[in-house]
Amino acid sequence: ENQVEHSPHFLGPQQGDVASMSCTYSVSRFNNLQWYRQNTGMGPKHLLSMYSAGYEKQKGRLNATLLKNGSSLYITAVQPEDSATYFCAPNQGNNNDMRFGAGTRLTVKP
Amino acid sequence: DVKVTQSSRYLVKRTGEKVFLECVQDMDHENMFWYRQDPGLGLRLIYFSYDVKMKEKGDIPEGYSVSREKKERFSLILESASTNQTSMYLCASSSNFREQYFGPGTRLTVT
Repeated sequence: ENQVEHSPHFLGPQQGDVASMSCTYSVSRFNNLQWYRQNTGMGPKHLLSMYSAGYEKQKGRLNATLLKNGSSLYITAVQPEDSATYFCAPNQGNNNDMRFGAGTRLTVKP
Repeated sequence: DVKVTQSSRYLVKRTGEKVFLECVQDMDHENMFWYRQDPGLGLRLIYFSYDVKMKEKGDIPEGYSVSREKKERFSLILESASTNQTSMYLCASSSNFREQYFGPGTRLTVT
């Protein structure tokens, strides 16, 4: 069964801290892993994609690592505008369907 | 910029009504998706389509059907709405193996 689990479910760092979150997944076929961010009342937006275990990607204050069946996302020097729900989603190559799970809700304290 | 539009932001329907949710994308994407999002459960895949007239069940297809007669349009149909279908519905589109682009969502309330 296709499943995605996020950890932690909620995260409340102080402004300027590092926020750390991760996900694990079980999928039948793997093509790539994507991270998304969703602000309240809006659809998710793609942040970055990674393709094989050991892959690391940096985009601004975002740092992501792809593991064998999971991924970690770090946001350095978090700001209140980083507050959102973050999802990882493995892309299954067969039909491009993806699973998102419940995500990690980040609330940055000013 | 890719644009995915959904027919309504908010919708209120009565139990037993037939409900149509429309989604249109303007980037010639092959794949289109319907999700529902509920607190604590995240996004759950209802149906997806990888080509015109093709459809595949996701994880929670019961009580829903879909239609894709044209490449740019993917419709979600609730044949007989029930209160447990009250939710946020999100449509997305993508090219093969690439990121998904989401619409703004339709908040459906069934009374």
